[in-house]
Amino acid sequence: AQTVTQSQPEMSVQEAETVTLSCTYDTSESDYYLFWYKQPPSRQMILVIRQEAYKQQNATENRFSVNFQKAAKSFSLKISDSQLGDAAMYFCAYRGSSNTGKLIFGQGTTLQVKP
Amino acid sequence: NAGVTQTPKFQVLKTGQSMTLQCAQDMNHNSMYWYRQDPGMGLRLIYYSASEGTTDKGEVPNGYNVSRLNKREFSLRLESAAPSQTSVYFCASSDGQGTSYEQYFGPGTRLTVT
Repeated sequence: AQTVTQSQPEMSVQEAETVTLSCTYDTSESDYYLFWYKQPPSRQMILVIRQEAYKQQNATENRFSVNFQKAAKSFSLKISDSQLGDAAMYFCAYRGSSNTGKLIFGQGTTLQVKP
Repeated sequence: NAGVTQTPKFQVLKTGQSMTLQCAQDMNHNSMYWYRQDPGMGLRLIYYSASEGTTDKGEVPNGYNVSRLNKREFSLRLESAAPSQTSVYFCASSDGQGTSYEQYFGPGTRLTVT
């Protein structure tokens, strides 16, 4: 069975600096998708970025980028120029290649942004 | 578009009571999901419906039932609530097409069972 692990329960970063959140996963599949979701205090789950495993190029979305290491089964999220609005819980999620679309989530990392 | 809507937003139940959480999506998505979120455990899949007319168990289905009423609506029922079911419940949907299968989430229901 696939698993997703986020080993950092809490992280903090100074405003305008860069922070990296870690995620590792375990799977025997070769085709899959990885996601980072943000959950602010409002509880709403917001998709931050996604990565298709067949793509070697790391995904980027404005200040958010990933470091996808397929062989190491690692999928970290880098937030550049951190802003106060980035403070939230971040979840890493895995979706396999079946057509059910089920997501497997990591435990989450709470990010604090200090002014 | 309202996206994914859930009712109610908050609920308090006594042990043994029953209730149904409602979820609807207006994005014409084929697949719908129910998750629960507990501290330190991320979101865990309770049940899902890959397409209208089908439902399947997820990781933590015990104590729950679901109904895919039509393509838009997917309800979650607690027949006899237990304190262990105190959690935040999220409904999500995806179109099941394309390469990303992005899931769109509702705002969540905070359920407390006393």
